[in-house]
Amino acid sequence: DQQVKQNSPSLSVQEGRISILNCDYTNSMFDYFLWYKKYPAEGPTFLISISSIKDKNEDGRFTVFLNKSAKHLSLHIVPSQPGDSAVYFCAASAVHSDYKLSFGAGTTVTVRA
Amino acid sequence: ETGVTQSPTHLIKTRGQQVTLRCSSQSGHNTVSWYQQALGQGPQFIFQYYREEENGRGNFPPRFSGLQFPNYSSELNVNALELDDSALYLCASSRAGSGANVLTFGAGSRLTVL
Repeated sequence: DQQVKQNSPSLSVQEGRISILNCDYTNSMFDYFLWYKKYPAEGPTFLISISSIKDKNEDGRFTVFLNKSAKHLSLHIVPSQPGDSAVYFCAASAVHSDYKLSFGAGTTVTVRA
Repeated sequence: ETGVTQSPTHLIKTRGQQVTLRCSSQSGHNTVSWYQQALGQGPQFIFQYYREEENGRGNFPPRFSGLQFPNYSSELNVNALELDDSALYLCASSRAGSGANVLTFGAGSRLTVL
């Protein structure tokens, strides 16, 4: 039972434009959300996170938005750069079981020059 | 500051065999988690170790077992390998009590079961 879903397996965007990655979840106990980025032959690296008490968190070119009523979050990358080409995973952890993360299947982003 | 290192990077086993994967956690981290990433899927939580004991477990059978050592390094053991065990196995470390479940991942061990 997949509790975190990334319905777009891939995204292609031109350099300098905005990349928008979407993620939906079903478990109402999730209270912390993270985005990880993964290059080939490397482990996932932490990108940005957001707590359920917020609806927006920004870090440089990366902004995560959380809509709790819709159980939806998104990651915006502005402007997109060639080095952003990677697989992006959405992840979530729940109250009282924060020892584990539930991941989506990932979205492969390709930034075209 | 050293990151998370895993060994071996690749290995091939046959069905029914046993495998041991190893992980050294990042300096200053005291918690180790293991995840299985099948092709085309996101990582799935196997279990977490803290203070050398299993601290939580995902939906994996008992033939998946682990150890954590006093230096916080860890092993993942899988017995009676099945074809579906073919996957990338990721180790991640974190510091308990840091307030946020931000994991630092290794590059993984890719297991192929024939």
